[in-house]
Amino acid sequence: DQQVKQNSPSLSVQEGRISILNCDYTNSMFDYFLWYKKYPAEGPTFLISISSIKDKNEDGRFTVFLNKSAKHLSLHIVPSQPGDSAVYFCAASGGPNSGYALNFGKGTSLLVTP
Amino acid sequence: EPEVTQTPSHQVTQMGQEVILRCVPISNHLYFYWYRQILGQKVEFLVSFYNNEISEKSEIFDDQFSVERPDGSNFTLKIRSTKLEDSAMYFCASSERVANYGYTFGSGTRLTVV
Repeated sequence: DQQVKQNSPSLSVQEGRISILNCDYTNSMFDYFLWYKKYPAEGPTFLISISSIKDKNEDGRFTVFLNKSAKHLSLHIVPSQPGDSAVYFCAASGGPNSGYALNFGKGTSLLVTP
Repeated sequence: EPEVTQTPSHQVTQMGQEVILRCVPISNHLYFYWYRQILGQKVEFLVSFYNNEISEKSEIFDDQFSVERPDGSNFTLKIRSTKLEDSAMYFCASSERVANYGYTFGSGTRLTVV
């Protein structure tokens, strides 16, 4: 069952522009949402997270927005840099009741062109 | 920066054989996880482990699988009687606190069952 969906398998953005990666979820019990970045032959690297009690969290060039009513979150990267080219995974957690297991989306491959 | 170490990076095994995937979590971390990613699919939760016992496991984690923390540093995933469909990238992860969802992943072990 696909509880976390990333409907865009790929995205191409010019350097300096904004990258917006989207994610939808179906389980209203999720209480924490995360974004991970993954390069080939490496494990996922934690980027940024947001609790379900917030609607925005910012860390440098990365901002995550959460719209609980729409069950939607997005990751904004501004300005985008070529080094941001990677696969981005959205993940959600149901907290202690699920052993803090993460439910991942299938990922969006971001390409930032010079 | 502390990292989660996984060995081997690539394991080839014959169908029906047992394999043990090894992980050394970050030393002060208390929570441990195994995930896997079949080629072209999403990262899937297998099991979480805390205080020397399994705290949560997914439907994938059936009797074929087991985890162990045999000493103070290693965390292992054993797959008995491997099947072709067990071929995947297996990621170990660890976290310091239960409230810290941004856990650190290792680089993974690519398991190929032939």
